[in-house]
Amino acid sequence: QTVVTQEPSLTVSPGGTVTLTCASSSGAVTSGFYTNWFQQKPGQAPRALIYSTTYKHSWTPARFSGSLLGGKAALTLSGVQPEDEAEYYCLLYYGGSWVFGGGTKVTVL
Amino acid sequence: QVQLQESGPGLVKPSETLSLTCTVSGGSISNYYWSWIRQPPGKGLEWVGYVFYTGSTNYNPSLKSRVTISVDKSKNQFSLKLSSVTAADTAVYHCARVHPMPTSAFDMWGQGTMVTVSS
Repeated sequence: QTVVTQEPSLTVSPGGTVTLTCASSSGAVTSGFYTNWFQQKPGQAPRALIYSTTYKHSWTPARFSGSLLGGKAALTLSGVQPEDEAEYYCLLYYGGSWVFGGGTKVTVL
Repeated sequence: QVQLQESGPGLVKPSETLSLTCTVSGGSISNYYWSWIRQPPGKGLEWVGYVFYTGSTNYNPSLKSRVTISVDKSKNQFSLKLSSVTAADTAVYHCARVHPMPTSAFDMWGQGTMVTVSS
C-alpha cells in the first residue's frame, strides 16, 4: 500500500516563505506523478492550486508555486498572507489510481 | 463556469449500499474524468475513484470490491455506489472534474455531501 507523506504542521510569519513537501513511499517523486496541490479551509471544499507538478490554475495567487525538490514534490508559499492559513494536501498519480497525502496544517503567526 | 452538486441520502444503514449523484452544470460531461473523493470527519482526503465520460473506470484498490462509478451523459450526471457500508464509510463525499493526461488537473469540486452510516 503506497503512502504519501506530508509534514503534519508548519508555522510561518506573515510575509515569510514556507515550503511544504510531499514524499512517496515508492521512491522519488517525478513529473510522472502529475502532482496536484489543494488548499482546504475549515468547512469548505478543497480548492485546487497546482496541477502537473508546476502549473497554476487561473485563480491561483502568484505567491504559490509548485516544484520538485530532493526527490519530493514541493509547494512554496512566498509572501505569506493571513488568509493562507489552511490545510494543504498533495495528490500523486500511481499508474491508474491516485493517492492523497495526509495534509499539512499551515499556521500564519 | 462549471459547477458540481452532490445529492443523495445523508443517512445509510450498515451493510446497505450508499448511492450518490453528482450533477454537472455549466459545461459538458464529455472529454473529462469525473471523480469521487471522500473525507471522514476530522481526517484527510481519500480518492475513491473516477469514470471517464466514455464509461471506463479506475478505483482505489482498497475500495475496488465495493465501488461502482457510472456516468449518464444524457443527464450530465455521474454516480457513486458503495456497497456493504460500515461506520468507517462515514464521510463528506465530494465530486470533482479531472482533466485527462497530461494535464491531470482536479480543478472543479462540489461542496460535498455528508453521509453518515448508522442504524
